[in-house]
Amino acid sequence: GESVGLHLPTLSVQEGDNSIINCAYSNSASDYFIWYKQESGKGPQFIIDIRSNMDKRQGQRVTVLLNKTVKHLSLQIAATQPGDSAVYFCAETDSNSGYALNFGKGTSLLVTP
Amino acid sequence: ETGVTQSPTHLIKTRGQQVTLRCSSQSGHNTVSWYQQALGQGPQFIFQYYREEENGRGNFPPRFSGLQFPNYSSELNVNALELDDSALYLCASSLGVTGPPRWEQYFGPGTRLTVT
Repeated sequence: GESVGLHLPTLSVQEGDNSIINCAYSNSASDYFIWYKQESGKGPQFIIDIRSNMDKRQGQRVTVLLNKTVKHLSLQIAATQPGDSAVYFCAETDSNSGYALNFGKGTSLLVTP
Repeated sequence: ETGVTQSPTHLIKTRGQQVTLRCSSQSGHNTVSWYQQALGQGPQFIFQYYREEENGRGNFPPRFSGLQFPNYSSELNVNALELDDSALYLCASSLGVTGPPRWEQYFGPGTRLTVT
């Protein structure tokens, strides 16, 4: 069936370095792709989204890249900080599903000093 | 502006029992979605309510049911609890039809359900 998956389950980076978290998707009908951050004991927190007709979108310290040719999504975090340590999920959605979010399994980002 | 709130925070139930979880949506949001998140997994969509009616359902059996009230708060009911129902249950609200797109969903902190 359709799925959203992540290439790596864990990622360890040094404080100040840039982080790249990758995600593959298979639903060609996806309209939007969203990155969420989930800290321990909390619900997912919206980071940034990108529409399927775009290939790049920038936020504060974060950039999302979308490659529809290979169905790949990435989240880049600049100058990673200890507060960025969390599990990151990519999710996709489309209007056909009423915008129900289809999440991947998540990547755990650990920022070391 | 208040965020999404859920109650209770934690809950322990016995297999076969029934449970009701509650969610108050973010102020002004008329759409509520429920997700189940097993340990170490991403959230799985259960169903969505828009203006008090079910507006989509994931791959969950009928013993998972819900309600949305006129003030847009919502309940998730699970009957005949099974051990595999142990999970974090997340509620997310969004604004449908007008305002921000519905895919922009705001999550509550979740209810941790343990079935023994």
